[in-house]
Amino acid sequence: EVQLVESGGGLVKPGGSLRLSCAASGFALSDFSMSWVRQAPGKGLEWVSSISSSSSHIYYADSMKGRFTISRDNAKNSLHLQMNSLRAEDTAVYYCGRENGGGRPTDFWGQGTLVIVSS
Amino acid sequence: QSALTQPASVSGSPGQSITISCTGTSSDVGGYNSVSWYQQHPGKAPKLMIYEVSKRPSGVSTRFSGSKSGNTASLTISGLQAEDEADYYCNSYTSTSTLLFGGGTKLTVL
Repeated sequence: EVQLVESGGGLVKPGGSLRLSCAASGFALSDFSMSWVRQAPGKGLEWVSSISSSSSHIYYADSMKGRFTISRDNAKNSLHLQMNSLRAEDTAVYYCGRENGGGRPTDFWGQGTLVIVSS
Repeated sequence: QSALTQPASVSGSPGQSITISCTGTSSDVGGYNSVSWYQQHPGKAPKLMIYEVSKRPSGVSTRFSGSKSGNTASLTISGLQAEDEADYYCNSYTSTSTLLFGGGTKLTVL
C-alpha cells in the first residue's frame, strides 16, 4: 500500500526556517517524481515544487523560488522541503505527493502537515 | 503565473449532471493534454479523479469524465450523488514545466 507521511510542521516566527519531511513507503521512491502542494486555511491548492526521480530536474513556483529548497533521499525513502525566510502568507497545510505520468498528475497524497507563520 | 479560472460554485440535484470548467491559456491548458482534476472533501487530502484530460485512475467512478476544447478543460459528473459534494480543482502542466491549479469549485448536491 502506498503511503506518504509528512512531518516537521509547526509554529515558526516570520523570517524563520522550517524543514518538512515526507516518508514514503509501499513503492520504489526512486521511480517517481515527487512534489509539494500547499493549501492556506480556507483557500485553494497551490503547487509549490517538484523534483524528478534522480533530482536532475527541480521546479519551483515563482513565489517560493529562492526561499524554498526541495530535495530527496531515495536510499532513505524520503522527500524534504527546506523553507527559509518564512512569511505569514506561507501559513498552510503542506502536502507531499507522488507524480505519475504525462503532465505529472499527483496520484497519491500524504495527509498534510500544518505550518503556521506567526509572531 | 495566475491560477486557472474555475467557477466558484456549481450545484445540482441527485441524478443530474454537472460540468465544471477550467480556463487557462495556450501556455498551459491549451498547449498540452496534461490537465488533471482533483476532488477534496473537507479536512481531507485531494484525490486524483482525472488525468491527461480524460483518463480515469483505477477505482474512480465512470460517472466522472473529462474533456478539453482549446484553452478550456471540463469535468463532467453524471448521475450526481450526495458523496460527490466536495471541492474540485483542475491542474495543468505549463510551458515552463511548472504546474498550475485552478482556484477551485465548490460542488453542492441539492
